[in-house]
Amino acid sequence: AQSVAQPEDQVNVAEGNPLTVKCTYSVSGNPYLFWYVQYPNRGLQFLLKYITGDNLVKGSYGFEAEFNKSQTSFHLKKPSALVSDSALYFCAVRDLDRYNFNKFYFGSGTKLNVKP
Amino acid sequence: NAGVTQTPKFQVLKTGQSMTLQCAQDMNHEYMSWYRQDPGMGLRLIHYSVGAGITDQGEVPNGYNVSRSTTEDFPLRLLSAAPSQTSVYFCASRHGQGDVQPQHFGDGTRLSIL
Repeated sequence: AQSVAQPEDQVNVAEGNPLTVKCTYSVSGNPYLFWYVQYPNRGLQFLLKYITGDNLVKGSYGFEAEFNKSQTSFHLKKPSALVSDSALYFCAVRDLDRYNFNKFYFGSGTKLNVKP
Repeated sequence: NAGVTQTPKFQVLKTGQSMTLQCAQDMNHEYMSWYRQDPGMGLRLIHYSVGAGITDQGEVPNGYNVSRSTTEDFPLRLLSAAPSQTSVYFCASRHGQGDVQPQHFGDGTRLSIL
């Protein structure tokens, strides 16, 4: 079965510093990987996805993610963190079922705290 | 364009009571899903639908029923609530055609079972 792991429950960074939120995956076949962000009392919002092509994927709000096949990782990055980036971040991988439906498996989430 | 709308936002139930969580989307999405979110466990798929009249089970389907009579609506039913079903429930929808489309999530229903 497909799965993702987020090894850090929480990441603390100072505003203006670069940030990295880690994700590793375990899949059979080609991975389809996603990052979502969740603000308090809201649903998840899509940030970016990797399907194929360039290993560096650019997404919303200045975020990007680097796909590394040899390390089976898909880390989320941003060159300069903002206080408003503080939120819960989820990595996800898709699997296919008998209907060819994309079922998504989510990591446990990483809380990002950006301090002024 | 409202997106994905979930009602109610909050609910407290007693053990053994039944209720239906409502989910509606106005984007004409074929695919709809229900997830539950528990601390430290991310989101887990309960049930999903690939179109009107077609549903299937996800990772944690026990204790929940769904139906999909229209494209717009995908209600989740708890037949006999248990404290283990205390959670935040999210409905999501997306297009089924073409590339792997991202999901659109509602703002959640916070459910407590006493």
